[in-house]
Amino acid sequence: AQSVTQLGSHVSVSEGALVLLRCNYSSSVPPYLFWYVQYPNQGLQLLLKYTTGATLVKGINGFEAEFKKSETSFHLTKPSAHMSDAAEYFCAVSGSAGDMRFGAGTRLTVKP
Amino acid sequence: KAGVTQTPRYLIKTRGQQVTLSCSPISGHRSVSWYQQTPGQGLQFLFEYFSETQRNKGNFPGRFSGRQFSNSRSEMNVSTLELGDSALYLCASSIGLAGGRTYNEQFFGPGTRLTVL
Repeated sequence: AQSVTQLGSHVSVSEGALVLLRCNYSSSVPPYLFWYVQYPNQGLQLLLKYTTGATLVKGINGFEAEFKKSETSFHLTKPSAHMSDAAEYFCAVSGSAGDMRFGAGTRLTVKP
Repeated sequence: KAGVTQTPRYLIKTRGQQVTLSCSPISGHRSVSWYQQTPGQGLQFLFEYFSETQRNKGNFPGRFSGRQFSNSRSEMNVSTLELGDSALYLCASSIGLAGGRTYNEQFFGPGTRLTVL
């Protein structure tokens, strides 16, 4: 079975500081991994995805994530936080049957 | 292209009633997935439809059902509503590939917020 664990339900950073949101996965098949962002009262928007190939994946809004098989991790980073980055972030893995399994989410707060 | 649309956006029902939610995917997308989002349980996968057939199903009781039409539009039905069914129901569409493994981007609608009183 596939699953993801997001470490830290809340992360707070100052504007301009590094953003690091942690995700560890479990998968019985080569994983397809995703990061989504959700703004209040909206659906989810894909930030980036890893399927095969390059392990460092670049996404929208300056975010990137690195797939580390040895650590079963797919952490999301952004060098410099912006106020507009405040939102909830979800890590997800595609199950072997094609279903998506989401983590519990991490709420990012950006302080001025 | 128009995005994924969900109707209605807000719904208030009472216990015991049933409800039908609608989702129109992006044109050309054949896969539609439904999710339930609650503060306590987070995002949980309900089911996925592809070409009018349920391809995957999450761990929800039989009160939750769905269907997909030939134009890929999908409906989700919840019968005998319970207080715990109050949630944001999200629909997502993707191009979909035969075989089931999803690595196409899923595009989410804004959701339907269901409140059960």
